Amino acid sequence: EVQLVESGGGLVQPGKSVRLSCAASGFNFDGFAMHWVRQIPGKGLEWVSSISWVSDDLAYADSVKGRFTIFRDNPKHSLYLQMDNLRTEDTAFYYCAKGETKGLDWNFEFWGRGTLVTVSS
Amino acid sequence: DIQMTQSPSSLSASVGDRVTITCRASQSIGIFLNWYQQKPGEAPQFLIYGASSLKSGVPSRFSGSGSGTDFTLTISNVQPADFATYYCQQSYTAPTAFGQGTTLDIK
Repeated sequence: EVQLVESGGGLVQPGKSVRLSCAASGFNFDGFAMHWVRQIPGKGLEWVSSISWVSDDLAYADSVKGRFTIFRDNPKHSLYLQMDNLRTEDTAFYYCAKGETKGLDWNFEFWGRGTLVTVSS
Repeated sequence: DIQMTQSPSSLSASVGDRVTITCRASQSIGIFLNWYQQKPGEAPQFLIYGASSLKSGVPSRFSGSGSGTDFTLTISNVQPADFATYYCQQSYTAPTAFGQGTTLDIK
């Protein structure tokens, strides 16, 4: 069974940093692209960032480019999102999602339950 | 960037009804259109890809159609488990984008 478990969320001040983690199990982690998608509580879904299977292709939404960094550790079956210079508008649930291919596809096959990041002073 | 617009934003239905949700892309995306279902407090579930192909395990009462810029999600014989929010998403090009969501609730 595919499982994706996010962690690392919490309350953080504007301008500070936080690193999210996603622990994957139940599938061949290093055979698939992975993604981060966020959702402001009560609102819609917004794609954040994606990484290919061997990290040779990365993509970011314009809203986070230059502030967020996606990376992965295949031997540890883990995906990460380093979030720097946080803004109040980054407050959201952050979901880790599994792609369907090795390259950057946009089919989010399985999702974790999310972790809430609240940016507030 | 491609914008996705869903309608209606919300709708009410009774068990057994047939409901249709519409999604429109700001430019042609072929059949690169996905649908997701999200229940309160849960992660989204992938329902349909390629505009009309059901993911494994999705009940056959769900169907999708359309191409180009106009797409529909139809649920025939709505069941209690179907009351949720539905999102369309274009998978044609980066940046991928979701519609704003359509909430289906009980009449």
